[in-house]
Amino acid sequence: DTGVSQDPRHKITKRGQNVTFRCDPISEHNRLYWYRQTLGQGPEFLTYFQNEAQLEKSRLLSDRFSAERPKGSFSTLEIQRTEQGDSAMYLCASSTLEARVNTGELFFGEGSRLTVL
Amino acid sequence: GENVEQHPSTLSVQEGDSAVIKCTYSDSASNYFPWYKQELGKRPQLIIDIRSNVGEKKDQRIAVTLNKTAKHFSLHITETQPEDSAVYFCAASRPNSGYALNFGKGTSLLVTP
Repeated sequence: DTGVSQDPRHKITKRGQNVTFRCDPISEHNRLYWYRQTLGQGPEFLTYFQNEAQLEKSRLLSDRFSAERPKGSFSTLEIQRTEQGDSAMYLCASSTLEARVNTGELFFGEGSRLTVL
Repeated sequence: GENVEQHPSTLSVQEGDSAVIKCTYSDSASNYFPWYKQELGKRPQLIIDIRSNVGEKKDQRIAVTLNKTAKHFSLHITETQPEDSAVYFCAASRPNSGYALNFGKGTSLLVTP
């Protein structure tokens, strides 16, 4: 297990198309997070899961964004009817429990870069 | 929601000098403050963090200080080296938020030999 993996690494799509990104966290990491990062900005929190439960989704950018983690392992982030403003790097991160307590350290993937034409 | 401001946006120092990056946060309930380093084209990685029950934490050449009253925290890097060149992000999170981090906009640090 070499870390958090994301697929695809790059996606170019036309405005109005739907896109889906996949994230495979580090094995046995119970929490999984999605962030968006645009050029020159810090990561922007979107949503997170604890196991299969989505515990925070109010910060998803619009109802065009949705995320799932059906079996508590990998997760998908879908953007419907993409807009040019959705162009960004979408980062996934995971974290684990240490002595039954989440330490807070996030392990990020390398991201999926979306370009909407 | 939480607003994290970070200064400066760019910082250039000579090798061996110290570098200081400052952040302020708006939510007085925030209790966890990590710093992440992101090298060009790579993923962010945690370098140090501090919780609200302590005022300072050190790890070799890196230290973080926290002033809860003023709601600001700072990253100090001593004896800087060229490999310290990267973008540094501060972040803050509230209790019971699942460590959903609110990041600052980042500081681009350049260490010149």
